[in-house]
Amino acid sequence: GDSVTQMEGPVTLSEEAFLTINCTYTATGYPSLFWYVQYPGEGLQLLLKATKADDKGSNKGFEATYRKETTSFHLEKGSVQVSDSAVYFCALRTQGGSEKLVFGKGMKLTVNP
Amino acid sequence: EAGVAQSPRYKIIEKRQSVAFWCNPISGHATLYWYQQILGQGPKLLIQFQNNGVVDDSQLPKDRFSAERLKGVDSTLKIQPAKLEDSAVYLCASTTPAGGAAFFGQGTRLTVV
Repeated sequence: GDSVTQMEGPVTLSEEAFLTINCTYTATGYPSLFWYVQYPGEGLQLLLKATKADDKGSNKGFEATYRKETTSFHLEKGSVQVSDSAVYFCALRTQGGSEKLVFGKGMKLTVNP
Repeated sequence: EAGVAQSPRYKIIEKRQSVAFWCNPISGHATLYWYQQILGQGPKLLIQFQNNGVVDDSQLPKDRFSAERLKGVDSTLKIQPAKLEDSAVYLCASTTPAGGAAFFGQGTRLTVV
């Protein structure tokens, strides 16, 4: 079935460090891919998305590229800030049919000053 | 544009009691999801509606959980009777068809004691 596998962490980085969170997926057809972020005590917020192969989603300095050949959607940021401390979820939405929205288990990131 | 509204934000009940959560999706969003998020885990889909019809309820514990979406707009999720393991955040999300991103409400944090 459709599934998402991502790094689970937790991960602790120093401010201005480089961040990569790996995400791979299994799906029939060509899903849309998303990264969601959950700040402490808040709901899930869309961080970025990509709807087809080779699309790059970007927002707030974060980027992820839809790689069909490796079924991946890794999240990167060149220089993290303390305010980026949160839980990050990779997700896919299947196209056509039931259009399921499936999440990975999430990765908690803590950025220290 | 108003976001997804959920109420209540917090609820504490004793085991074997009943509880109901309410969700008002973004206007015009035909697809509505209810997720259960246990502390430290990713969201788990409970039920998905397309307008007022159920698309997927395969992971809904139907002996105690029920949900409805009258007139294809608001939705209610009910638990009766509650168990200790139902303690979680219940998230509602809505989206347009064709691969668009889902938008989440703030969630309802349920504690069963």
